[in-house]
Amino acid sequence: GENVEQHPSTLSVQEGDSAVIKCTYSDSASNYFPWYKQELGKRPQLIIDIRSNVGEKKDQRIAVTLNKTAKHFSLHITETQPEDSAVYFCAASEEDIFGKGTRLHILP
Amino acid sequence: DAGVIQSPRHEVTEMGQEVTLRCKPISGHNSLFWYRQTMMRGLELLIYFNNNVPIDDSGMPEDRFSAKMPNASFSTLKIQPSEPRDSAVYFCASSVVSPPSYEQYFGPGTRLTVT
Repeated sequence: GENVEQHPSTLSVQEGDSAVIKCTYSDSASNYFPWYKQELGKRPQLIIDIRSNVGEKKDQRIAVTLNKTAKHFSLHITETQPEDSAVYFCAASEEDIFGKGTRLHILP
Repeated sequence: DAGVIQSPRHEVTEMGQEVTLRCKPISGHNSLFWYRQTMMRGLELLIYFNNNVPIDDSGMPEDRFSAKMPNASFSTLKIQPSEPRDSAVYFCASSVVSPPSYEQYFGPGTRLTVT
């Protein structure tokens, strides 16, 4: 089955700087890679996703890149803002096998 | 649509008691997922259903856990007997399997405390 590793587990970034979260997956057949954001005390919500026929996708300050050969994908957040503070989960496959999450802190 | 509905939102019970968590997926969604979230283990997939049929229950921790989906609008996750290590937030999520999107919509979660 699919196995997803996510790094780092915690990330602190100065407001305005960029944040990068990385994930690797094991099943080369996986072709769907979503990212979810979970604010404190709330439910996870999808923020961006990418399919394997696309190498990069961007939505305003958020971008995701995918390297199918290396089986890794990354979330990039530029010009970070306080409201970006949350836990971010990557996932792989249509059944959403989740990574363990990255707690992102935006420092004032 | 009200989104995914879970009940109860909070449950406190004593070790050994039976616990039943309930979920109503979004109307029209054909997949339903149960997750358990703890600080130590993150977000774990317990089981998922497609068209009311259990597809993968390999994440169910042990025989004390069982899940059912008698129809397209209702699912239960039961723990019998409960143990303190079952304390966690349990999320239900639903999706409509329609490429290219497989977005899952999460319910608000049930916070379970077993004393």
